[in-house]
Amino acid sequence: DIQMTQSPSSLSASVGDRVTITCRASQRIWNFLNWYQQKPGKAPSLLIYAASSLQSGVPSRFSGSGSGTDFTLTISSLQPEDFATYYCQQTYTTLMYTFGQGTKLEIK
Amino acid sequence: EVQLVQSGAEAKKPGESLKISCKGSGYNFMNYWIAWVRQMPGKGLEWMGVIHPDDSDIRYSPPFQGQVTISADKYIRTAYLQLSSLEASDSGMYYCARLQTIRGYYSMDIWGQGTTVTVSS
Repeated sequence: DIQMTQSPSSLSASVGDRVTITCRASQRIWNFLNWYQQKPGKAPSLLIYAASSLQSGVPSRFSGSGSGTDFTLTISSLQPEDFATYYCQQTYTTLMYTFGQGTKLEIK
Repeated sequence: EVQLVQSGAEAKKPGESLKISCKGSGYNFMNYWIAWVRQMPGKGLEWMGVIHPDDSDIRYSPPFQGQVTISADKYIRTAYLQLSSLEASDSGMYYCARLQTIRGYYSMDIWGQGTTVTVSS
């Protein structure tokens, strides 16, 4: 099984800050990596697919990078609505897609 | 509008069974895999399995193999997740989601609103 490890597990930041969340895969997954945002009491929503492609309708302040085993999600200038939990997901293993444990982004 | 609508919250007793539904609309339901994801209270997302509604090809994640049953009825555009012999540890939120594929990359672009399951005596 491919294990996905996110860091940090939680993060405090202020509106306007640049924030980076890291996701590491236990084996090489090329760029088969997605990022999701989940707000309290809501279903997750897709932000980034294929490591760096922005899902339609997602603000351009969100970006993804990386390949192989190490990936990052960057929010260039935090907005109040961005405080949420973020998950990475590998889609390398056919139809057996695992998630990272999540990173909770809180207001400082 | 493309959407997945799940059945409502369930309150069950240990040992009982339940079946959660997930109805698609606004797109060709038969052409997309539907995935099921569990989220236990205060915890992260767990991949349970997927089904292709057109031919009912099903893949279970090993921790859920034999514990749940995934099915679909393409004629009424609905996927199902069945849980049997419920235990308190089955309590949580269950989501269905559509798998889109772009340039060969899969991602979960449309999510149901979630179904809360509470198992308690």
